[in-house]
Amino acid sequence: DAMVIQNPRYQVTQFGKPVTLSCSQTLNHNVMYWYQQKSSQAPKLLFHYYDKDFNNEADTPDNFQSRRPNTSFCFLDIRSPGLGDTAMYLCATASWEKLFFGSGTQLSVL
Amino acid sequence: AQKITQTQPGMFVQEKEAVTLDCTYDTSDQSYGLFWYKQPSSGEMIFLIYQGSYDEQNATEGRYSLNFQKARKSANLVISASQLGDSAMYFCAIGEPGGGSNYKLTFGKGTLLTVNP
Repeated sequence: DAMVIQNPRYQVTQFGKPVTLSCSQTLNHNVMYWYQQKSSQAPKLLFHYYDKDFNNEADTPDNFQSRRPNTSFCFLDIRSPGLGDTAMYLCATASWEKLFFGSGTQLSVL
Repeated sequence: AQKITQTQPGMFVQEKEAVTLDCTYDTSDQSYGLFWYKQPSSGEMIFLIYQGSYDEQNATEGRYSLNFQKARKSANLVISASQLGDSAMYFCAIGEPGGGSNYKLTFGKGTLLTVNP
């Protein structure tokens, strides 16, 4: 049974058109992460939540924002996607040393 | 700042043989964790094994073991008795302590392992 669920699996959007990616978890973990993984590259941390405390990485573009309305759900909003934002977006939760990842959303910006 | 280096972009191994995937790291932190993840073509990142910086014994999880050499700052993954299902991208990562005992991870660029029948 999937514990970290990301929807949709594939998302296509147009240059400049806002898009929201969603993540839900059934593990009741306090910590949730968003990673960006471009083709053939390592995942890169965008931001994370500890409970409702939001932590932005220093080099995360302002174009990327996140919402966490409750423990179970977390959203990634890209206000004005550029072509360079085409990537796999991975959501994860954490318990002690283990991170549990979802299957990711492959975003294509055309 | 933390950094992970994986020098092998691709590796090939025969089914049932052992394979070692290399990982070196750099950090100024005294306390840190080292991780290996597997990413099949489906995209999901699967946790394999964890080694704490103060753990004196090498971590093992089934067919996976982590060869931790702190002085050399290396954390190589050893997969014994390779299976066809082991074909995937493998990422080494280092953890910066975040909230509580949870980690923010910095990943290496990965090694693509192909297991041949």
